[in-house]
Amino acid sequence: AQSVSQHNHHVILSEAASLELGCNYSYGGTVNLFWYVQYPGQHLQLLLKYFSGDPLVKGIKGFEAEFIKSKFSFNLRKPSVQWSDTAEYFCAVKNYGGSQGNLIFGKGTKLSVKP
Amino acid sequence: DSGVTQTPKHLITATGQRVTLRCSPRSGDLSVYWYQQSLDQGLQFLIQYYNGEERAKGNILERFSAQQFPDLHSELNLSSLELGDSALYFCASSSWTGVDYGYTFGSGTRLTVV
Repeated sequence: AQSVSQHNHHVILSEAASLELGCNYSYGGTVNLFWYVQYPGQHLQLLLKYFSGDPLVKGIKGFEAEFIKSKFSFNLRKPSVQWSDTAEYFCAVKNYGGSQGNLIFGKGTKLSVKP
Repeated sequence: DSGVTQTPKHLITATGQRVTLRCSPRSGDLSVYWYQQSLDQGLQFLIQYYNGEERAKGNILERFSAQQFPDLHSELNLSSLELGDSALYFCASSSWTGVDYGYTFGSGTRLTVV
Protein backbone atom coordinates (compact mmCIF):
# COMPACT_ATOMS: atom_id res chain seq x y z
CA ALA A 1 0.00 0.00 0.00
CA GLN A 2 1.12 3.51 -0.70
CA SER A 3 2.22 5.65 2.21
CA VAL A 4 3.47 9.18 2.76
CA SER A 5 5.93 10.30 5.42
CA GLN A 6 6.35 13.85 6.59
CA HIS A 7 9.47 14.19 8.66
CA ASN A 8 8.68 17.23 10.74
CA HIS A 9 5.75 17.32 13.11
CA HIS A 10 6.12 20.98 14.08
CA VAL A 11 8.33 23.65 12.56
CA ILE A 12 8.78 27.09 14.10
CA LEU A 13 10.27 29.88 12.00
CA SER A 14 10.65 33.62 12.17
CA GLU A 15 9.20 35.78 9.41
CA ALA A 16 11.42 36.00 6.33
CA ALA A 17 13.10 32.68 7.10
CA SER A 18 13.23 30.05 4.36
CA LEU A 19 11.05 26.97 4.62
CA GLU A 20 11.55 23.41 3.52
CA LEU A 21 9.12 20.68 4.59
CA GLY A 22 10.06 17.11 3.83
CA CYS A 23 7.79 14.53 2.20
CA ASN A 24 8.64 11.00 1.12
CA TYR A 25 6.31 8.50 -0.51
CA SER A 26 6.56 4.75 -0.78
CA TYR A 27 5.18 3.87 -4.21
CA GLY A 28 7.72 3.19 -6.96
CA GLY A 29 5.48 3.55 -10.00
CA THR A 30 3.88 6.62 -11.57
CA VAL A 31 2.77 8.99 -8.89
CA ASN A 32 0.70 12.11 -8.64
CA LEU A 33 1.74 14.23 -5.67
CA PHE A 34 0.07 17.08 -3.84
CA TRP A 35 0.62 19.58 -1.08
CA TYR A 36 -2.39 20.89 0.80
CA VAL A 37 -2.58 23.60 3.45
CA GLN A 38 -5.06 23.81 6.31
CA TYR A 39 -5.39 27.19 8.00
CA PRO A 40 -6.84 27.10 11.53
CA GLY A 41 -10.53 26.26 11.41
CA GLN A 42 -10.63 26.02 7.63
CA HIS A 43 -10.85 23.35 4.97
CA LEU A 44 -7.89 21.81 3.17
CA GLN A 45 -6.76 23.90 0.22
CA LEU A 46 -4.56 22.79 -2.65
CA LEU A 47 -1.16 24.50 -2.74
CA LEU A 48 0.32 22.67 -5.71
CA LYS A 49 0.42 19.33 -7.47
CA TYR A 50 2.73 17.28 -9.65
CA PHE A 51 1.51 15.00 -12.43
CA SER A 52 4.32 14.91 -14.96
CA GLY A 53 6.87 17.07 -16.74
CA ASP A 54 8.99 19.69 -14.97
CA PRO A 55 9.85 18.28 -11.54
CA LEU A 56 9.90 21.78 -10.07
CA VAL A 57 6.30 22.74 -9.46
CA LYS A 58 5.17 26.22 -8.56
CA GLY A 59 2.02 26.73 -6.54
CA ILE A 60 0.05 29.49 -4.95
CA LYS A 61 1.32 32.00 -2.38
CA GLY A 62 4.97 31.63 -3.43
CA PHE A 63 5.26 27.93 -2.59
CA GLU A 64 7.10 25.45 -4.78
CA ALA A 65 7.97 21.77 -4.55
CA GLU A 66 10.55 19.58 -6.22
CA PHE A 67 9.82 16.02 -7.27
CA ILE A 68 12.95 13.87 -6.98
CA LYS A 69 12.07 10.42 -8.25
CA SER A 70 15.33 8.77 -7.17
CA LYS A 71 14.74 9.89 -3.60
CA PHE A 72 10.96 9.30 -3.58
CA SER A 73 10.66 12.85 -2.31
CA PHE A 74 8.43 15.85 -2.91
CA ASN A 75 9.65 18.57 -0.56
CA LEU A 76 7.80 21.85 -0.17
CA ARG A 77 9.76 25.11 -0.15
CA LYS A 78 9.21 28.82 0.26
CA PRO A 79 12.09 31.32 0.21
CA SER A 80 10.61 33.71 2.75
CA VAL A 81 7.70 32.82 5.04
CA GLN A 82 5.14 35.24 6.41
CA TRP A 83 3.12 35.14 9.61
CA SER A 84 0.07 34.34 7.48
CA ASP A 85 1.71 31.05 6.43
CA THR A 86 1.04 29.68 9.92
CA ALA A 87 -0.97 26.55 9.16
CA GLU A 88 -0.73 22.79 8.88
CA TYR A 89 0.72 21.38 5.66
CA PHE A 90 -0.12 17.97 4.25
CA CYS A 91 1.66 16.03 1.55
CA ALA A 92 -0.47 13.51 -0.35
CA VAL A 93 -0.11 10.90 -3.07
CA LYS A 94 -2.89 9.77 -5.30
CA ASN A 95 -4.01 6.17 -4.99
CA TYR A 96 -5.63 4.93 -8.18
CA GLY A 97 -7.79 2.30 -6.50
CA GLY A 98 -11.53 2.63 -6.92
CA SER A 99 -13.17 5.17 -9.19
CA GLN A 100 -11.34 8.48 -9.73
CA GLY A 101 -8.80 7.43 -7.10
CA ASN A 102 -8.37 8.91 -3.67
CA LEU A 103 -5.66 10.75 -1.76
CA ILE A 104 -3.32 9.18 0.80
CA PHE A 105 -2.06 11.84 3.19
CA GLY A 106 0.96 12.22 5.40
CA LYS A 107 0.41 13.07 9.06
CA GLY A 108 1.00 16.74 8.43
CA THR A 109 3.51 19.36 9.53
CA LYS A 110 2.39 22.24 11.66
CA LEU A 111 4.15 25.47 10.75
CA SER A 112 4.25 28.33 13.23
CA VAL A 113 5.69 31.61 11.97
CA LYS A 114 6.70 34.15 14.60
CA PRO A 115 6.16 37.79 13.64
CA ASP B 1 -16.64 28.60 1.16
CA SER B 2 -15.29 25.63 -0.78
CA GLY B 3 -18.66 24.50 -2.10
CA VAL B 4 -18.61 21.30 -0.06
CA THR B 5 -20.96 21.63 2.91
CA GLN B 6 -20.68 19.58 6.07
CA THR B 7 -23.09 19.55 8.97
CA PRO B 8 -22.98 19.79 11.88
CA LYS B 9 -19.73 21.67 12.48
CA HIS B 10 -19.43 20.37 16.02
CA LEU B 11 -20.90 17.36 17.75
CA ILE B 12 -20.49 16.19 21.33
CA THR B 13 -21.87 12.84 22.30
CA ALA B 14 -21.40 10.07 24.83
CA THR B 15 -19.69 6.72 24.42
CA GLY B 16 -21.92 4.03 23.01
CA GLN B 17 -24.06 6.47 21.06
CA ARG B 18 -24.63 6.76 17.32
CA VAL B 19 -24.25 9.89 15.21
CA THR B 20 -24.77 10.84 11.58
CA LEU B 21 -22.55 13.30 9.74
CA ARG B 22 -23.77 14.89 6.55
CA CYS B 23 -21.94 16.09 3.46
CA SER B 24 -23.22 17.88 0.38
CA PRO B 25 -20.71 17.83 -2.49
CA ARG B 26 -19.99 20.69 -4.87
CA SER B 27 -22.67 21.10 -7.47
CA GLY B 28 -22.09 18.60 -10.27
CA ASP B 29 -19.55 16.46 -8.42
CA LEU B 30 -20.49 12.80 -8.37
CA SER B 31 -17.83 11.48 -6.01
CA VAL B 32 -17.76 11.91 -2.26
CA TYR B 33 -14.87 10.91 -0.02
CA TRP B 34 -14.76 10.68 3.77
CA TYR B 35 -11.61 11.24 5.80
CA GLN B 36 -10.90 11.08 9.52
CA GLN B 37 -8.30 13.42 11.00
CA SER B 38 -6.96 12.60 14.44
CA LEU B 39 -3.85 13.70 16.30
CA ASP B 40 -2.21 10.29 16.31
CA GLN B 41 -3.33 8.89 12.93
CA GLY B 42 -3.32 12.03 10.81
CA LEU B 43 -5.68 12.18 7.82
CA GLN B 44 -7.01 8.72 7.05
CA PHE B 45 -9.14 7.85 4.02
CA LEU B 46 -12.32 6.09 5.09
CA ILE B 47 -14.54 5.51 2.08
CA GLN B 48 -15.53 6.81 -1.36
CA TYR B 49 -18.89 6.87 -3.10
CA TYR B 50 -19.53 7.61 -6.74
CA ASN B 51 -23.05 8.37 -7.93
CA GLY B 52 -24.61 6.37 -5.14
CA GLU B 53 -22.29 3.37 -5.22
CA GLU B 54 -19.41 2.50 -2.93
CA ARG B 55 -16.19 2.61 -4.95
CA ALA B 56 -13.27 2.40 -2.54
CA LYS B 57 -12.74 1.56 1.09
CA GLY B 58 -9.92 2.64 3.32
CA ASN B 59 -9.41 2.28 7.04
CA ILE B 60 -13.07 2.34 7.95
CA LEU B 61 -14.18 0.50 11.07
CA GLU B 62 -17.08 -1.94 10.93
CA ARG B 63 -18.93 0.32 13.39
CA PHE B 64 -18.90 3.02 10.71
CA SER B 65 -20.97 3.04 7.55
CA ALA B 66 -21.79 5.51 4.83
CA GLN B 67 -24.17 6.00 1.96
CA GLN B 68 -24.76 8.41 -0.88
CA PHE B 69 -28.28 9.39 -1.77
CA PRO B 70 -29.85 10.12 -5.19
CA ASP B 71 -29.37 13.85 -4.67
CA LEU B 72 -25.64 13.01 -4.18
CA HIS B 73 -25.37 14.09 -0.57
CA SER B 74 -23.67 11.58 1.66
CA GLU B 75 -24.01 10.54 5.27
CA LEU B 76 -21.41 8.92 7.49
CA ASN B 77 -22.91 6.91 10.34
CA LEU B 78 -20.77 6.22 13.39
CA SER B 79 -22.15 3.80 15.98
CA SER B 80 -21.13 2.36 19.35
CA LEU B 81 -18.90 5.38 19.70
CA GLU B 82 -15.67 5.15 21.67
CA LEU B 83 -13.45 7.88 23.08
CA GLY B 84 -10.93 7.15 20.33
CA ASP B 85 -13.46 8.11 17.66
CA SER B 86 -13.09 11.75 18.67
CA ALA B 87 -11.68 13.40 15.56
CA LEU B 88 -12.31 15.83 12.75
CA TYR B 89 -14.24 14.17 9.93
CA PHE B 90 -13.76 15.67 6.49
CA CYS B 91 -15.74 15.17 3.37
CA ALA B 92 -14.41 15.91 -0.11
CA SER B 93 -15.84 15.79 -3.59
CA SER B 94 -14.00 15.50 -6.87
CA SER B 95 -14.48 16.75 -10.39
CA TRP B 96 -12.63 16.52 -13.67
CA THR B 97 -10.19 19.40 -14.21
CA GLY B 98 -9.33 18.54 -17.80
CA VAL B 99 -6.15 16.76 -16.74
CA ASP B 100 -7.18 14.74 -13.73
CA TYR B 101 -9.64 14.84 -10.89
CA GLY B 102 -9.45 17.75 -8.48
CA TYR B 103 -10.52 17.38 -4.87
CA THR B 104 -12.45 19.96 -2.87
CA PHE B 105 -12.71 19.59 0.88
CA GLY B 106 -15.37 20.70 3.31
CA SER B 107 -14.62 22.40 6.63
CA GLY B 108 -15.21 19.24 8.59
CA THR B 109 -17.29 18.04 11.52
CA ARG B 110 -15.51 17.96 14.85
CA LEU B 111 -16.76 14.99 16.85
CA THR B 112 -16.05 14.79 20.55
CA VAL B 113 -16.96 11.59 22.37
CA VAL B 114 -17.13 11.94 26.15
